[in-house]
Amino acid sequence: DAGVIQSPRHEVTEMGQEVTLRCKPISGHDYLFWYRQTMMRGLELLIYFNNNVPIDDSGMPEDRFSAKMPNASFSTLKIQPSEPRDSAVYFCASSPTRAATRYNEQFFGPGTRLTVL
Amino acid sequence: AQKVTQAQTEISVVEKEDVTLDCVYETRDTTYYLFWYKQPPSGELVFLIRRNSFDEQNEISGRYSWNFQKSTSSFNFTITASQVVDSAVYFCALKGRGATNKLIFGTGTLLAVQP
Repeated sequence: DAGVIQSPRHEVTEMGQEVTLRCKPISGHDYLFWYRQTMMRGLELLIYFNNNVPIDDSGMPEDRFSAKMPNASFSTLKIQPSEPRDSAVYFCASSPTRAATRYNEQFFGPGTRLTVL
Repeated sequence: AQKVTQAQTEISVVEKEDVTLDCVYETRDTTYYLFWYKQPPSGELVFLIRRNSFDEQNEISGRYSWNFQKSTSSFNFTITASQVVDSAVYFCALKGRGATNKLIFGTGTLLAVQP
C-alpha cells in the first residue's frame, strides 16, 4: 500500500504569493491531519478532518491559512498571502476509521518544506 | 490540559552504548495513548510504537524497548547497543481518548550516535 503522499516536497516562494500544499491520504483512512513543524514551536496540529469534514481548526494560525478536503483522497492547505514566518515543514497524516485496530495511529507523509523569501 | 515533556534536548553517545530517552506526560484522561516517532535526517516521521494506558506491560522490539510507568507518568525509550543509523530526533506523543483525535507532541530529543 502506498503511504501518505504529499506534494510538492519543496517549495520556495516569495512573500505575498499564494502557496498550495497537497496531500493524498492512505486509501481507506477516514482522518486527515495537517501539522506544521518549526524550530520555535515544534510539531503543532493545524487542522484535522473526519470523513472530509473539518473537525478542529483551532490550530490554524490566522485567516491567511485555509484547508479543504473535497473528497476522501485529496486535501489542500493554502496560504494566501504567504509570509516569511510561514517557512516550515508541513506534514500531512492520516489514520484509519474508529473501528480499525490501528485507529489511534497516525501515518505521516514525507512533508513539504516551505521557504518564503 | 495535555502535555508531553522531553527534558533531554540533545544526547550524544558512542556506538554500542545503551541510551534512554525520557518522556513525561500529563493528562486528565483515564484512557489515553502514548507514541514514539522517529525523525531521521531525511525528515520523515516514522511510527515506532503505540501504548494504551490500560496496558502497562513493557515492550521490546529488537534493540528497542519501552518502559511505561503510570505511577510516574513516564514512557521512556531505550536503545540497546546504539548504532549510527539510530541518529535522529525522537518524539514522544500523547493522545486522549475523547472526541478529539489530536496528537500532542513533545519537543523531541536529538540523538547523535558517534562511530
